[in-house]
Amino acid sequence: GDSVTQMEGPVTLSEEAFLTINCTYTATGYPSLFWYVQYPGEGLQLLLKATKADDKGSNKGFEATYRKETTSFHLEKGSVQVSDSAVYFCALSDINTGGFKTIFGAGTRLFVKA
Amino acid sequence: DAGVTQSPTHLIKTRGQQVTLRCSPKSGHDTVSWYQQALGQGPQFIFQYYEEEERQRGNFPDRFSGHQFPNYSSELNVNALLLGDSALYLCASSLSGQGAYSNQPQHFGDGTRLSIL
Repeated sequence: GDSVTQMEGPVTLSEEAFLTINCTYTATGYPSLFWYVQYPGEGLQLLLKATKADDKGSNKGFEATYRKETTSFHLEKGSVQVSDSAVYFCALSDINTGGFKTIFGAGTRLFVKA
Repeated sequence: DAGVTQSPTHLIKTRGQQVTLRCSPKSGHDTVSWYQQALGQGPQFIFQYYEEEERQRGNFPDRFSGHQFPNYSSELNVNALLLGDSALYLCASSLSGQGAYSNQPQHFGDGTRLSIL
C-alpha cells in the first residue's frame, strides 16, 4: 500500500543554517503531496503542498518539489529561525485509494539553536 | 473565523470504559476525518465522514465508531478501551468538492489527549 518515509530526527541546527528534511513516498497512482508542521501542544498545520510532478510548493521560506522520477518531496529552507523548531510531517493522499485519507510519515523533529 | 475545535482537550479513562470525543469543523467545511497519533508517531487515519456517512475507514477495529450530525460536527466513540488506545486524537475538516478531491488540504484541531490507566 501507499506509504511515506522521512528522515529520522531529531535534526539540530543553528539559526540561519540551511535545512533539508528528506521524504520519499510509495504510491500506486499519482498522489498529492503535503508538508505539515506541528508545534508543541498543537494540531497539524499545512505548510505547503504539490499536486503533480515538478510542482514546487512554497510557504514561509520553505520549499519542496514533487519529484516523480525519484518519488521524493524533500523539504528545504535557506535560513532557519528558532521559531521553526517543531515536528514536520510529510504526507500524501492518493485518489487511487479513495483519496479521502492522508497518509503521514513518522515526523522529523527540528531543533533550532540561537 | 473559527477553526476546527475539539473537546475535551484531555481525558483520563480506565481499561474497558467507553469514550466519546467531539469535533466541530472549520466554518464552511463539510467533511470530517479522525486520526490517532501515538507518541512520537505520525497520525494514523481512522475514518472520514461526509453527508453523515462513513466514507472511508482505516485499519482500526469496530470498537472505533463515529457519527456526523447535520451541522457537520462529528463524534468519535471508542468502546472497551485498551491501554494501547492512549494517544492524541486529531480531527481534521475539509471541503468536499468535485473532481480531484484528493488534493484538498485538511485543517486540524489541536486534538484530544486520551490517557488509559
